[in-house]
Amino acid sequence: DAGVIQSPRHEVTEMGQEVTLRCKPISGHNSLFWYRQTMMRGLELLIYFNNNVPIDDSGMPEDRFSAKMPNASFSTLKIQPSEPRDSAVYFCASSIQENQPQHFGDGTRLSIL
Amino acid sequence: GESVGLHLPTLSVQEGDNSIINCAYSNSASDYFIWYKQESGKGPQFIIDIRSNMDKRQGQRVTVLLNKTVKHLSLQIAATQPGDSAVYFCAETSNDYKLSFGAGTTVTVRA
Repeated sequence: DAGVIQSPRHEVTEMGQEVTLRCKPISGHNSLFWYRQTMMRGLELLIYFNNNVPIDDSGMPEDRFSAKMPNASFSTLKIQPSEPRDSAVYFCASSIQENQPQHFGDGTRLSIL
Repeated sequence: GESVGLHLPTLSVQEGDNSIINCAYSNSASDYFIWYKQESGKGPQFIIDIRSNMDKRQGQRVTVLLNKTVKHLSLQIAATQPGDSAVYFCAETSNDYKLSFGAGTTVTVRA
């Protein structure tokens, strides 16, 4: 079975540029999560969608970050403008419902120069 | 504030031996706990979960123990194999979705 699919796997760009990360959750899962992982802060929840609706965005760092889920099979996380401190691995995860295990993609490793 | 943490950051195990990875949590309201395995360059992989109405759950070669009295969670891996080398995270939640992750324990299996 296909797991959570993220693209791109790696992104290197200069500060000030717009970055768009993409995620396809597991089919049939109604909950989708965006996380950020850094050595200093570990895994942090950025935003949680349930049935395509944002439920909790309290982890989004600032207004430069935005996320959308236009349909059940696609979500994006956008950073505009990007800054070097945004460099991290960004993970997307999905679960069949919110009180069930979250399954993670292999992440996007983002480097902002 | 509430936090989830691990007792040991690294664990070295002889191949074939059993491994025990420990995790302490501080939120007494936590009712759902998950163990994840993360290999280099990959996302966290679900291993096993347990809810607060249980104190033990077994999977294939893995057992999770939950002690709510002392707020302690452990993962036991039987007959550890080289493929078990990874970083292991415990995670907990009290609201069904917002997982708090521990810092992670790096497990290295010696041949």
